[in-house]
Amino acid sequence: DQQVKQNSPSLSVQEGRISILNCDYTNSMFDYFLWYKKYPAEGPTFLISISSIKDKNEDGRFTVFLNKSAKHLSLHIVPSQPGDSAVYFCAASESRNTPLVFGKGTRLSVIA
Amino acid sequence: GAVVSQHPSRVICKSGTSVKIECRSLDFQATTMFWYRQFPKQSLMLMATSNEGSKATYEQGVEKDKFLINHASLTLSTLTVTSAHPEDSSFYICSARDHRDMNTEAFFGQGTRLTVV
Repeated sequence: DQQVKQNSPSLSVQEGRISILNCDYTNSMFDYFLWYKKYPAEGPTFLISISSIKDKNEDGRFTVFLNKSAKHLSLHIVPSQPGDSAVYFCAASESRNTPLVFGKGTRLSVIA
Repeated sequence: GAVVSQHPSRVICKSGTSVKIECRSLDFQATTMFWYRQFPKQSLMLMATSNEGSKATYEQGVEKDKFLINHASLTLSTLTVTSAHPEDSSFYICSARDHRDMNTEAFFGQGTRLTVV
């Protein structure tokens, strides 16, 4: 049973436009949510996080929105750049000290 | 930022042999490291939690005698795949967090692509 779901395996976006990646979760104990970016044959790199006490966190071109009642979060990238093309993983944990549970990832392709 | 180094990045071994993968935190200490495995088009699945100075905690379905974990120091955890078989071929990734600063995020190693032939 997948606790973190990324229902879109892939997404294509024009350069300069907004990329929106979605993530749903089922475990109501999750308190901390993160987005990681991954290139082939490399480990994930941390992008941005949000704790359950917030509904939005922004860092440059990246914004994460959290809707706790809907158990949904999303990552917005604007403007999208070709270098953003990668697989994006949504991850969640019950606290900062517990292991992360990952979604299956969404492959983002930003087309020039 | 904090760096986690994983070695080797790629290994091919014969069926029945053992392979050791190292995970080092380069500029911080980690009392806990996590080992994940990723199959093609799947998410990263937690295999085990490596605890410095004590036994690792394995997730359900992960054989502790097959995947030996040793966390002998605050900067090094090793995963040994014993008697490897083709079905063990996967991408193995470790992660660690600076235990002195729990406000930092978990950092990941580069991953190890294991191919058992």
